[in-house]
Amino acid sequence: AAGVIQSPRHLIKEKRETATLKCYPIPRHDTVYWYQQGPGQDPQFLISFYEKMQSDKGSIPDRFSAQQFSDYHSELNMSSLELGDSALYFCASSAAGLAGEETQYFGPGTRLLVL
Amino acid sequence: AQTVTQSQPEMSVQEAETVTLSCTYDTSESDYYLFWYKQPPSRQMILVIRQEAYKQQNATENRFSVNFQKAAKSFSLKISDSQLGDAAMYFCAYSGGGADGLTFGKGTHLIIQP
Repeated sequence: AAGVIQSPRHLIKEKRETATLKCYPIPRHDTVYWYQQGPGQDPQFLISFYEKMQSDKGSIPDRFSAQQFSDYHSELNMSSLELGDSALYFCASSAAGLAGEETQYFGPGTRLLVL
Repeated sequence: AQTVTQSQPEMSVQEAETVTLSCTYDTSESDYYLFWYKQPPSRQMILVIRQEAYKQQNATENRFSVNFQKAAKSFSLKISDSQLGDAAMYFCAYSGGGADGLTFGKGTHLIIQP
């Protein structure tokens, strides 16, 4: 079965640079979520989109922005990168528009290292 | 805001034995969803089991089952016949449903002794 695709899988950036992470949800899923997981920590919810509209917002820094496109893929844009942004970034998708289909399935993650 | 608490940072069990991981949560909602996710060393987040709060019957998936006590706000995971491949970090998570983000507990590191 098709899974969530994230690219790139690994990314190295310098401080104050910009990074863009991409997420391709499972086919026919209409909702995308972004999470940040620091070393030894639990994932922290950043933001979600349902049918291309921002739906729920968590602890996303103002330096980060995201959007969902007409083909349902999503991009997380991160500017003015800081050392503390080094983490594993997960994208998850669900068919939240269908009752009983709220289960979120996670992609493999993008490992971001800021030097 | 909802909170999820996993009070066992680490658990160890012999292969083929049964182990129970604890999770409690706090919410003022009556409808919600609870999940257990597994994160092996590869750091992939893998869904283990889900429970809808409106269902009284406890969810079961092969060797994995939950004990959902809504009044007590408790959601424990039982793993029967533990296998070496079960070794991982296990996260309990809460969702209000729809496009709500998940709130995770701090995780329980499960060690399987051969």
